[in-house]
Amino acid sequence: AQTVTQSQPEMSVQEAETVTLSCTYDTSESDYYLFWYKQPPSRQMILVIRQEAYKQQNATENRFSVNFQKAAKSFSLKISDSQLGDAAMYFCAYRSGFGNEKLTFGTGTRLTIIP
Amino acid sequence: NAGVMQNPRHLVRRRGQEARLRCSPMKGHSHVYWYRQLPEEGLKFMVYLQKENIIDESGMPKERFSAEFPKEGPSILRIQQVVRGDSAAYFCASSRDRGSTGELFFGEGSRLTVL
Repeated sequence: AQTVTQSQPEMSVQEAETVTLSCTYDTSESDYYLFWYKQPPSRQMILVIRQEAYKQQNATENRFSVNFQKAAKSFSLKISDSQLGDAAMYFCAYRSGFGNEKLTFGTGTRLTIIP
Repeated sequence: NAGVMQNPRHLVRRRGQEARLRCSPMKGHSHVYWYRQLPEEGLKFMVYLQKENIIDESGMPKERFSAEFPKEGPSILRIQQVVRGDSAAYFCASSRDRGSTGELFFGEGSRLTVL
């Protein structure tokens, strides 16, 4: 079974600075997807960024980028120019490349933005 | 184009009562997933359904929990004889089809409180 580990329960960053959230996963599969979801106080899960395992290039979405290290099974999220609206819980998630879209989530990192 | 709609947003039940949570997927989506989020934890997969079929219920408790996705109408997650440990946020997500791009679209969740 796949597992996703987020070792940082809480992180904080000064507004406009850069922060990196860590995520590691364990799988024996070669084809899979990785995601970062944001859960603000409203609780809705919002997709931030996704990475296909077969792609070597790291995904980027505006101020959000990932550092995908397939051999190390590491998938960290970098948030540049942090904004107050970035404050939320961030969840790393894994999906197998086979079968359905079932996601396995990590336990989350609570990100606080310091004005 | 409405997103995934869940209702009720908040539900309070006494121990032993039944809870019914409803989920209408995004238009054009025929796959529905239910997840449970306990306080301060990540989302845990419960069940995956297509119209009129349960595809994967590996995350569902064996007793008291059931789910359906009828040909017409929303998907229903039903919890019979609720206990305090059932208090959680229940999220529904939908996707267009199996083996698609891998993105799930989440609803805002239903928070169940058992007194």
